[in-house]
Amino acid sequence: DGGITQSPKYLFRKEGQNVTLSCEQNLNHDAMYWYRQDPGQGLRLIYYSQIVNDFQKGDIAEGYSVSREKKESFPLTVTSAQKNPTAFYLCASSILAGPDHNEQFFGPGTRLTVL
Amino acid sequence: EDQVTQSPEALRLQEGESSSLNCSYTVSGLRGLFWYRQDPGKGPEFLFTLYSAGEEKEKERLKATLTKKESFLHITAPKPEDSATYLCAVRGNSGYSTLTFGKGTMLLVSP
Repeated sequence: DGGITQSPKYLFRKEGQNVTLSCEQNLNHDAMYWYRQDPGQGLRLIYYSQIVNDFQKGDIAEGYSVSREKKESFPLTVTSAQKNPTAFYLCASSILAGPDHNEQFFGPGTRLTVL
Repeated sequence: EDQVTQSPEALRLQEGESSSLNCSYTVSGLRGLFWYRQDPGKGPEFLFTLYSAGEEKEKERLKATLTKKESFLHITAPKPEDSATYLCAVRGNSGYSTLTFGKGTMLLVSP
């Protein structure tokens, strides 16, 4: 089955710890994205990557880091510098065939809770 | 800066009671308006993309329409399984592949 997988589904972190969220896709999509979702708020873009070994900051990149060493993988690290990391994290991917027809498809999400 | 406002925030319908959800947007050069469905604790599921005013798309009991300022998601004779949060997003000229999302409308359909 083609799709996007995220792991783990639930993650608990102590304050001061870095944690890494996994995102893998086998859709052969060029672009990958990380969003954060909080209750009552829309999805907010953290980082995105349109090509291997390149990525750009989104609207709320502070306290997060990413890498894109392979086309299929786009892990997100939540660092201790992120002051309010408890949230639902969503990974998405899309093809990049010009400015149109670039629907983003989402993974199942990871819920991160800081204890 | 692209902006998306969805209304109402929440909507409760009886089974079979048709209604519409609204998505108002401001964007610099619309490159696409997207509708998603999100079930609790899950990732959004893609529904529709609309590109130009006057365009309409349908899927089962859902029909999405687009004007130059807003989009509507019409739900005809809804069933309890249509209960979910519906998200609207836009892509404009300012972001090559990025989307701006609204906060969503939470729909509850009672039997």
